[in-house]
Amino acid sequence: DAGITQSPRHKVTETGTPVTLRCHQTENHRYMYWYRQDPGHGLRLIHYSYGVKDTDKGEVSDGYSVSRSKTEDFLLTLESATSSQTSVYFCAISVSGQNTEAFFGQGTRLTVV
Amino acid sequence: AQSVTQLGSHVSVSEGALVLLRCNYSSSVPPYLFWYVQYPNQGLQLLLKYTSAATLVKGINGFEAEFKKSETSFHLTKPSAHMSDAAEYFCAVSVASRGNKLVFGAGTILRVKS
Repeated sequence: DAGITQSPRHKVTETGTPVTLRCHQTENHRYMYWYRQDPGHGLRLIHYSYGVKDTDKGEVSDGYSVSRSKTEDFLLTLESATSSQTSVYFCAISVSGQNTEAFFGQGTRLTVV
Repeated sequence: AQSVTQLGSHVSVSEGALVLLRCNYSSSVPPYLFWYVQYPNQGLQLLLKYTSAATLVKGINGFEAEFKKSETSFHLTKPSAHMSDAAEYFCAVSVASRGNKLVFGAGTILRVKS
């Protein structure tokens, strides 16, 4: 397995509270991604990073922010959690280049009640 | 913009039968294509990838896929299904822009009957 650790693995939180998910990698890969997985939608990109302090939005970025202060860590924050953000969140990493695959973490199951 | 369509959200086959999972892509430039598999409560694992070196790509666990430009397809096949192949399969295309982003299809759940 690629050296990717997501924490926490499971979380239940209340509507309106902030939540931070952490992705930690030991591979020193340049690119890091946050996806959410929902039935019928596959995986959709929330935000990604192409280097320390360099991040950009994906297709479903509303309500989410990210930070990357170190190569190995990529944080995803739900600023004020809503029920529509109940999902499974996956972190992924990639070396670089268009023809390189992404490696995925084990996922974080987030439930917003 | 690049996109992927997977035909059939659920596919059921008998053990030992041919597995065929369909994927069509839309891309304005030569695409890089991937198939991933997800077992229950796990992350995604790469099965195989197409990077223009060969149109028939062999992957892990006996799977292969053929890139057909004329049909804009990248279907996944396996000659003989095994019970352990039951999982969800995702086709993805790499977006030709900064960040090497992957765009995924909606996924196909493969069920293998004994």
